[in-house]
Amino acid sequence: KNEVEQSPQNLTAQEGEFITINCSYSVGISALHWLQQHPGGGIVSLFMLSSGKKKHGRLIATINIQEKHSSLHITASHPRDSAVYICASQRKKTGANNLFFGTGTRLTVIP
Amino acid sequence: EPEVTQTPSHQVTQMGQEVILRCVPISNHLYFYWYRQILGQKVEFLVSFYNNEISEKSEIFDDQFSVERPDGSNFTLKIRSTKLEDSAMYFCATQDSRNTEAFFGQGTRLTVV
Repeated sequence: KNEVEQSPQNLTAQEGEFITINCSYSVGISALHWLQQHPGGGIVSLFMLSSGKKKHGRLIATINIQEKHSSLHITASHPRDSAVYICASQRKKTGANNLFFGTGTRLTVIP
Repeated sequence: EPEVTQTPSHQVTQMGQEVILRCVPISNHLYFYWYRQILGQKVEFLVSFYNNEISEKSEIFDDQFSVERPDGSNFTLKIRSTKLEDSAMYFCATQDSRNTEAFFGQGTRLTVV
């Protein structure tokens, strides 16, 4: 069964803090996605990675394929980073590869 | 920046009515998906569509649901005889190939009363 687990479920941080959100998945994947969901509900793709590490601005995503684990880091967190961060796995298979979603981590950054 | 467009943004419908949710994918994308998110829950896969046919569907996607790409651009999700438990946010997502970044629409919030 394809499961994606995230931790923590909720996270409150002071502005400027370094944030880490963790994601574990249960089956082999072709890619791991990190997504951001805003309070209005819209979903934005942050990263798609299949190995190693990616960086975009203050955001860094890493993945360890052997351990089936990925992390999302936010450096110098800011109140505008407050959102739900979702990890989603994409399986190896032919045809369209749908995403399997974690339950999300609700991040609140306090000024 | 290319974007996926969904309409309507909100829809309220009476139980038993049919609704059609519309999505305009990014023009060169080949893979299309519908997902839904019941309030307070995680996003769930409904159906994937590739090469003008359903590629895979979840257990949720029963005979009540159908998808089509009627004019080669719009991608629609039809829900027949809506039930209260169909109330959710429905997201369309597209990819240009299998293992690339997924682009999501802003969602349609469906409320069945």
